[in-house]
Amino acid sequence: ILNVEQSPQSLHVQEGDSTNFTCSFPSSNFYALHWYRWETAKSPEALFVMTLNGDEKKKGRISATLNTKEGYSYLYIKGSQPEDSATYLCAFRASGAGSYQLTFGKGTKLSVIP
Amino acid sequence: EAQVTQNPRYLITVTGKKLTVTCSQNMNHEYMSWYRQDPGLGLRQIYYSMNVEVTDKGDVPEGYKVSRKEKRNFPLILESPSPNQTSLYFCASSFRVAGDYIDNEQFFGPGTRLTVL
Repeated sequence: ILNVEQSPQSLHVQEGDSTNFTCSFPSSNFYALHWYRWETAKSPEALFVMTLNGDEKKKGRISATLNTKEGYSYLYIKGSQPEDSATYLCAFRASGAGSYQLTFGKGTKLSVIP
Repeated sequence: EAQVTQNPRYLITVTGKKLTVTCSQNMNHEYMSWYRQDPGLGLRQIYYSMNVEVTDKGDVPEGYKVSRKEKRNFPLILESPSPNQTSLYFCASSFRVAGDYIDNEQFFGPGTRLTVL
């Protein structure tokens, strides 16, 4: 079983603050890194799918970077809003054997205080 | 509307009583997968299917069966449920792993909360 770690486990920020969290994954046999947003009582929804080292993706106030050589990805939220409160999941896909599996981290739970 | 549907959404059952959770997608996706979500453990993959009649074990397959007779459906079968299978289950689908540095996002169903007494 591959090891995908997310930190911190949970985070409380004030409305308007910017924040970021980390996803660590194996640096060998990299194929893709996914980020999902999971609101309470809903199902996870994709934010980004990243495949190239140095990739940067942006969707509104949320952006992500990828470093496959050192095995980490950052998710940034600029000017957090209460509606950003959710659990953010990353998921790693390896190349080669097992490439059909997506291994998820345990998530970072973000709470934005109005 | 493009979606993944699961039924039932909630189920309380007793140990040993066979059950099936259905999953259906209308996006013509080749890849389908089942996950379970438990507190503190994250989403763990149970089984996945690359296409019709092609299935494989994920990280936690014990106690589960699946089948993929049609592209749109991927039912999860618990032949003899036990209390340790009490969990929140998600079905997901996507287009296949594309190669050449292209990967595809997964679309998740609404979840099935199962309690086994």
